Amino acid sequence: AQKITQTQPGMFVQEKEAVTLDCTYDTSDPSYGLFWYKQPSSGEMIFLIYQGSYDQQNATEGRYSLNFQKARKSANLVISASQLGDSAMYFCAMREIGNQFYFGTGTSLTVIP
Amino acid sequence: KAGVTQTPRYLIKTRGQQVTLSCSPISGHRSVSWYQQTPGQGLQFLFEYFSETQRNKGNFPGRFSGRQFSNSRSEMNVSTLELGDSALYLCASSDGTKIYEQYFGPGTRLTVT
Repeated sequence: AQKITQTQPGMFVQEKEAVTLDCTYDTSDPSYGLFWYKQPSSGEMIFLIYQGSYDQQNATEGRYSLNFQKARKSANLVISASQLGDSAMYFCAMREIGNQFYFGTGTSLTVIP
Repeated sequence: KAGVTQTPRYLIKTRGQQVTLSCSPISGHRSVSWYQQTPGQGLQFLFEYFSETQRNKGNFPGRFSGRQFSNSRSEMNVSTLELGDSALYLCASSDGTKIYEQYFGPGTRLTVT
């Protein structure tokens, strides 16, 4: 089974609107971390936000927030007030303690002026 | 602090040749992970080194190997290159203890002809 599933290959959002990128994960380990990375066309992976499996509150970092629903095993990324510079590939990832990172296939986000 | 650096940034090789890629982690980081990114397979984990020892290994053939030096710099070697090895190879570093910390380099884009 896939460890990380991103079902939206491509998304479009109007500038200044909010957008939600979906991510579901699969693990039987009670201790894990969930991550979102942004990859612009330059290729470099940029860390956006982290959520620990034991964290009670949803993580937020500026315009990014992670909607963590543990029972559903989902970790959706919400970007508020989209900007043109947000156009990029977005990857959801998970890491179990002592294990490797698993990445989803990514969602291509295009922000429309 | 300087970020993760990877050399070379671009490389063109011929099928059957071998190649060595280099990664210098952030100062103080002892863990280096390598990933292969292709349009078809997404981001796949190759291996992780921590304090000169391989800590995790992905599902890649033995043609892919790596090592880490005492200064934490890491090299990745691919022998007998195949066309399918054309990819962006990303290196990431962390201090090896925090589950949420992983910083990526700009990547090496390898083209095999």
